[in-house]
Amino acid sequence: AQTVTQSQPEMSVQEAETVTLSCTYDTSESDYYLFWYKQPPSRQMILVIRQEAYKQQNATENRFSVNFQKAAKSFSLKISDSQLGDAAMYFCAYRSPWGGGSEKLVFGKGTKLTVNP
Amino acid sequence: DSGVTQTPKHLITATGQRVTLRCSPRSGDLSVYWYQQSLDQGLQFLIQYYNGEERAKGNILERFSAQQFPDLHSELNLSSLELGDSALYFCASSVDAVNSPLHFGNGTRLTVT
Repeated sequence: AQTVTQSQPEMSVQEAETVTLSCTYDTSESDYYLFWYKQPPSRQMILVIRQEAYKQQNATENRFSVNFQKAAKSFSLKISDSQLGDAAMYFCAYRSPWGGGSEKLVFGKGTKLTVNP
Repeated sequence: DSGVTQTPKHLITATGQRVTLRCSPRSGDLSVYWYQQSLDQGLQFLIQYYNGEERAKGNILERFSAQQFPDLHSELNLSSLELGDSALYFCASSVDAVNSPLHFGNGTRLTVT
């Protein structure tokens, strides 16, 4: 079974600075999807960014980008020019495309990001 | 707004009772997922439906059941409730069963007293 590990329970960053959240995963599959979700205090789960494992190019969405290292099974999220609204719990998630019931999202435990003004 | 609608937003009930949580997926999405989020267990996958059929089952207790109706909305039934069932229950939907990302509703906060 796939597992996702977020080794940083909490992180903090100054407004306008850059922060990187870490995520590693364990899988024997060669093709899969990786996601970062954001959960602000409102508790809503918001999709931040998505990466397909077969794509070598790192995904980018505005101020959010990932560093995908397939061999190392690492998938970190970089937030540039941090804003107060970025304060939230961030979850890394893995999804297998192979069907048969294995395609559910598996989540890490989350990293709580605080943005200091 | 993700387009996934969950009702009710909050639910307070007593131990031993039964409740039903409802989810309407985004327009066009065929797959519905249920997740439980508790402080100590994180986000746990419960069950997935695709176009009315059960597709995957996770850590769902026997006291819990779910179904997806022909109009694609889904209900999660929780019975014989225990204090430990208090959690945030999320519904998510996706276009297909495998490739597309999940979009989450705002959750139902269940408190069992």
